[in-house]
Amino acid sequence: EVHLVESGGGLIQPGGSLRLSCAASGFTVDSNYMNWVRQAPGKGLEWVSVIYSGGRTYYADSVKGRFTISRDNSKNTLYLQMNSLRVEDTAIYYCAKDLLGTGYFDYWGQGSLVTVSS
Amino acid sequence: QSALTQPASVSGSPGQSITISCTGTSSDVGGYNFVSWYLQRPGKTPKLMIYEVSYRPSGVSDRFSGSKSGNTASLAISGLQAEDEAHYYCSSYTSSRTLVFGGGTKLTVL
Repeated sequence: EVHLVESGGGLIQPGGSLRLSCAASGFTVDSNYMNWVRQAPGKGLEWVSVIYSGGRTYYADSVKGRFTISRDNSKNTLYLQMNSLRVEDTAIYYCAKDLLGTGYFDYWGQGSLVTVSS
Repeated sequence: QSALTQPASVSGSPGQSITISCTGTSSDVGGYNFVSWYLQRPGKTPKLMIYEVSYRPSGVSDRFSGSKSGNTASLAISGLQAEDEAHYYCSSYTSSRTLVFGGGTKLTVL
């Protein structure tokens, strides 16, 4: 059975850094398209980043240069390193598995709340 | 990477049919048949309802259907039921190899 469990969220001051983790089970992260999607409180979904099975990475313009997606195959875990955090980065961050690499999100984690505030 | 445009809200009575539109550009919706639709209920994670414009994942009711014309995709729901009340989001693959979501549509079943 597939499970995705995020961790690492919390309260951080503007300009700070945080690393989110997404532990996967039931499949291997390095064989799939793994994404981060966020949702600000009471707002809609916003795609953040993807890492392909081959290792290529892509980012939304809103986080490019500040966020880095990566994975540890030995731990079967996906990461999102978030630097230079802004108030507008406040959101629930979900990791999601994309079966086809085209927006077929078949599994989602429960989400990790990141609050950027002074 | 501007968000796709969806109506903020739609409504319908039980048994009726509704349609939700999702408008993008030739660099996303119009350029690829990679439009997906998600249903999200309060406090829950999104659920995939339609992928690649018009395909339903296993287990999704055939009351849900998708289509596309030019830069606009549409989700149709027939035979509205109270359980259909939720937020609906479209997404599209883009020419930058990224994904983009719509702003979301709140469906109210009257």
